[in-house]
Amino acid sequence: EAAVTQSPRNKVTVTGGNVTLSCRQTNSHNYMYWYRQDTGHGLRLIHYSYGAGNLQIGDVPDGYKATRTTQEDFFLLLELASPSQTSLYFCASSASWGGQNTLYFGAGTRLSVL
Amino acid sequence: GDSVTQTEGPVTVSESESLIINCTYSATSIAYPNLFWYVRYPGEGLQLLLKVITAGQKGSSRGFEATYNKETTSFHLQKASVQESDSAVYYCALGENTGANTGKLTFGHGTILRVHP
Repeated sequence: EAAVTQSPRNKVTVTGGNVTLSCRQTNSHNYMYWYRQDTGHGLRLIHYSYGAGNLQIGDVPDGYKATRTTQEDFFLLLELASPSQTSLYFCASSASWGGQNTLYFGAGTRLSVL
Repeated sequence: GDSVTQTEGPVTVSESESLIINCTYSATSIAYPNLFWYVRYPGEGLQLLLKVITAGQKGSSRGFEATYNKETTSFHLQKASVQESDSAVYYCALGENTGANTGKLTFGHGTILRVHP
């Protein structure tokens, strides 16, 4: 069974703070994604990657950096957190990129920026 | 752009009742979209419930089914008799398929389903 693990599960920080969200997948998948979900919105793609060292910009990238250090690990960085970044963040992986492939999601990280 | 609209929640039903969660899509940039339902149970990540990549076809899983209707641009999720364990958030999603491993998923906002015993 595919496995995607996110940490931390919950995080509270202050405006201007520095936050790193971590994601590890043990699926041997090439593609990894970071999404955010807010009330009234669907999941929105922040960044994605198709391999170690690769980074692609998603639909809502402003205020976020990401880094894919290995095939397994994908990090989302908020260097100057703002209250607008309070959200539920999901990491996902897939064998290949595209609208035909199954995404495997982590359980999510709930971030609050005060 | 592309968009997905689904039933506003929460939807509350009693166990053994029937269920329908509506999903309509607008695929302005995709000629032949793929359609998905994902589900998120409490405390877990989203997982694929079913998908259909051909218009006119029906997908089914765990007693749920959805038919890809290109004429009405709909992909409604139905179940004849729900169980308390079906309580979850359901997401309709639209995917591109250019045939070259490209494309993205556009998600609806999710519909909370609460099933009472």
